[in-house]
Amino acid sequence: KQEVTQIPAALSVPEGENLVLNCSFTDSAIYNLQWFRQDPGKGLTSLLLIQSSQREQTSGRLNASLDKSSGRSTLYIAASQPGDSATYLCAVSVLYNNNDMRFGAGTRLTVKP
Amino acid sequence: EADIYQTPRYLVIGTGKKITLECSQTMGHDKMYWYQQDPGMELHLIHYSYGVNSTEKGDLSSESTVSRIRTEHFPLTLESARPSHTSQYLCATGLAGGGDTQYFGPGTRLTVL
Repeated sequence: KQEVTQIPAALSVPEGENLVLNCSFTDSAIYNLQWFRQDPGKGLTSLLLIQSSQREQTSGRLNASLDKSSGRSTLYIAASQPGDSATYLCAVSVLYNNNDMRFGAGTRLTVKP
Repeated sequence: EADIYQTPRYLVIGTGKKITLECSQTMGHDKMYWYQQDPGMELHLIHYSYGVNSTEKGDLSSESTVSRIRTEHFPLTLESARPSHTSQYLCATGLAGGGDTQYFGPGTRLTVL
């Protein structure tokens, strides 16, 4: 069964720092991997989607990488801002189960002014 | 504007009550999902539907039931609520064919006393 793990569970950084969030998954048979943002008490917003054939995706200050063979993905946030404070969730789309998704527990990020 | 609506946003009820959590969408998507999320934990899929009159149970055992009579509507019902049902419930939609992102509603935070 696919398991998704995110490290660290929580992270606090001063404004302006670059940071990396980590995601690992146990089964490389994935369709794609996505990073979501969740604000307190809200739903999820998709940030980046990487297809299994891709190595990385970029959107503004965000860059996500995927190493399917090792079961790892990273989300790099450049020049962090207080508005980046949220929980970041990693999810993989399971290839053999109608592409349904498995989520990690998330990394709770706090960016201090 | 295409969107996903969940009502109520917050609900506090007593044990034994029957409740229905509403989810409706104007995205025109065939796939709809219900996830359960406890604080600081990963999302767990409890029900999904790939179209009208199609419903399936997800990975997490749930005492809830769902129906899909119309494309845009996917209500979740608890016949007899218990304190163990206290959680956040997130509704999501997706395009047919898989491999694409899912779009999330704002969630319903349920507290059973």
